[in-house]
Amino acid sequence: AQKVTQAQTEISVVEKEDVTLDCVYETRDTTYYLFWYKQPPSGELVFLIRRNSFDEQNEISGRYSWNFQKSTSSFNFTITASQVVDSAVYFCALSEPQGYQKVTFGTGTKLQVIP
Amino acid sequence: DGGITQSPKYLFRKEGQNVTLSCEQNLNHDAMYWYRQDPGQGLRLIYYSQIVNDFQKGDIAEGYSVSREKKESFPLTVTSAQKNPTAFYLCASTREFDWDEKLFFGSGTQLSVL
Repeated sequence: AQKVTQAQTEISVVEKEDVTLDCVYETRDTTYYLFWYKQPPSGELVFLIRRNSFDEQNEISGRYSWNFQKSTSSFNFTITASQVVDSAVYFCALSEPQGYQKVTFGTGTKLQVIP
Repeated sequence: DGGITQSPKYLFRKEGQNVTLSCEQNLNHDAMYWYRQDPGQGLRLIYYSQIVNDFQKGDIAEGYSVSREKKESFPLTVTSAQKNPTAFYLCASTREFDWDEKLFFGSGTQLSVL
């Protein structure tokens, strides 16, 4: 069975600090996709990144970067120079080819950036 | 701008009452989904629809019902059989019904029991 663990329930950082959100997953499939979504206080989840299991290249997008390591089944998310607008709940998710779109979400990490 | 509209934002249900949550999308997406979010938990799939006039149960469908009569619309009814309906409900869609598609979400409906 697939599982996504986000062990950090809440994190508080001071503005401009770097912060890393951890995501560990479990799957028996060799083919899968990993996602990160951001849920600001407004409630709507917003897609941030998608990574397939065959692409371990790290990704950087502005202040955001993702470190995918199959050896440790982790897909960690780092925000550099955090800003107040980064305050949100962040979800990691795993999708496997099970005949329908079966997405397993982690429990989320609430990030608070203090000005 | 294309997107998903959920209404109402807040909804209150009395004991024994059925309530319906609205979800409309103008993204021309084939597939639509309903998720339930409880505090400290991940999102759990209630129902999904691959295409118009078709829908399937997700992981926690008991006490819920849906319809998909139009491509743009996927309303969710929370019936009186759902004994613990208080939660945040999110509607989502994907361009196609495929496992690698990213989800587009609405802004959610908070349902509470009076």
